[in-house]
Amino acid sequence: AQSVTQPDIHITVSEGASLELRCNYSYGATPYLFWYVQSPGQGLQLLLKYFSGDTLVQGIKGFEAEFKRSQSSFNLRKPSVHWSDAAEYFCAVGANYGGSQGNLIFGKGTKLSVKP
Amino acid sequence: GAVVSQHPSRVICKSGTSVKIECRSLDFQATTMFWYRQFPKKSLMLMATSNEGSKATYEQGVEKDKFLINHASLTLSTLTVTSAHPEDSSFYICSAQPGAGGASTDTQYFGPGTRLTVL
Repeated sequence: AQSVTQPDIHITVSEGASLELRCNYSYGATPYLFWYVQSPGQGLQLLLKYFSGDTLVQGIKGFEAEFKRSQSSFNLRKPSVHWSDAAEYFCAVGANYGGSQGNLIFGKGTKLSVKP
Repeated sequence: GAVVSQHPSRVICKSGTSVKIECRSLDFQATTMFWYRQFPKKSLMLMATSNEGSKATYEQGVEKDKFLINHASLTLSTLTVTSAHPEDSSFYICSAQPGAGGASTDTQYFGPGTRLTVL
């Protein structure tokens, strides 16, 4: 069965420090992979996505993620965190139906807190 | 582009009443819309997939008679929580997936969510 695991429930980093949020997935075929960010009481904003090609993908707000098939991982990184990055981050996997995306399976999320 | 709105953003209702939540794609046509439910400190759980002009496909364990979904047009889907009870209190989020010719067809765009509180 498809699943997404985000091992870290809550991470606290200092402003200006680097960040890596972990995501592991279980999927039988080539997945579509996504990272979304959710601010309190808000919907989800797409940070970046991976469908194929270059395994290092760049997203908005200075985020990037690397797809590692051998490790079934899609970790999110940012070299220097800003206080405004404090939010909940969700990794998701979607089915690849020949170019059309099916429904998404979400991880449980990682809450990021940023210390001044 | 690719903006999805939800209305209302918050609703409080009495137990036993019905509540309708609207999800609109503002600048693209969405052939498929999804409805998710998010519990506090939990992930999003897919409730149903809605295709324009056809019946919604519900996930296992979701009561179709309780959560009525209508996708009457390419820009509007509605979720009606019928005879709401306190256990239905949650954060409901919709997403829309563009059809061909619009925004990226391989991405879901999410609405801002609706906070439902049933007293």
